[in-house]
Amino acid sequence: GDSVTQMEGPVTLSEEAFLTINCTYTATGYPSLFWYVQYPGEGLQLLLKATKADDKGSNKGFEATYRKETTSFHLEKGSVQVSDSAVYFCALSRELDQLIWGAGTKLIIKP
Amino acid sequence: EAGVTQSPTHLIKTRGQQATLRCSPISGHTSVYWYQQALGLGLQFLLWYDEGEERNRGNFPPRFSGRQFPNYSSELNVNALELEDSALYLCASSHGTSGGNTDTQYFGPGTRLTVL
Repeated sequence: GDSVTQMEGPVTLSEEAFLTINCTYTATGYPSLFWYVQYPGEGLQLLLKATKADDKGSNKGFEATYRKETTSFHLEKGSVQVSDSAVYFCALSRELDQLIWGAGTKLIIKP
Repeated sequence: EAGVTQSPTHLIKTRGQQATLRCSPISGHTSVYWYQQALGLGLQFLLWYDEGEERNRGNFPPRFSGRQFPNYSSELNVNALELEDSALYLCASSHGTSGGNTDTQYFGPGTRLTVL
């Protein structure tokens, strides 16, 4: 069945460091791919998405490119801030059905 | 545009009782999804409703049930509560079948259910 694997956390970085959170997936067909973020004590917010191969999703300085050849959707940001501290979830869906989730990666940014 | 709303924010029940959680989708959205986020277990899909019908169900026992009303709001009912049902229950909505193939789900803040 479909699945999503993302790097285990926590990931601890200093402010202004470069961020990469790896995400790979297994799915038949052409799923849509998503990154959601969950700030402490809050629900999930859509960060970015891509719906087809080679699409790049971007938002708030974060980027991820849908790579079908490597079945990956890695999240990157050039310069992180303390306010980026949160849990990041990679997910996929096929058409209108449920989201299949990665385990989540906790990101801690130190000033 | 108002987002997905959920009520109550917190719910405390004892083992064996029933819990009812409510969700109002974004205006214009016809699909509602329910997920459970238990500590250490990540996010698990519970139910999907669209146009008033149950479209898919996750690997949960039958005591987890729900419904979708004509105004597209939804209820999640959990009967015979067990301690391991303690979790954050998240509702999401999307355009569903009425919006073609648009599949982005937008989440509410969640209901924190504690079973004592």
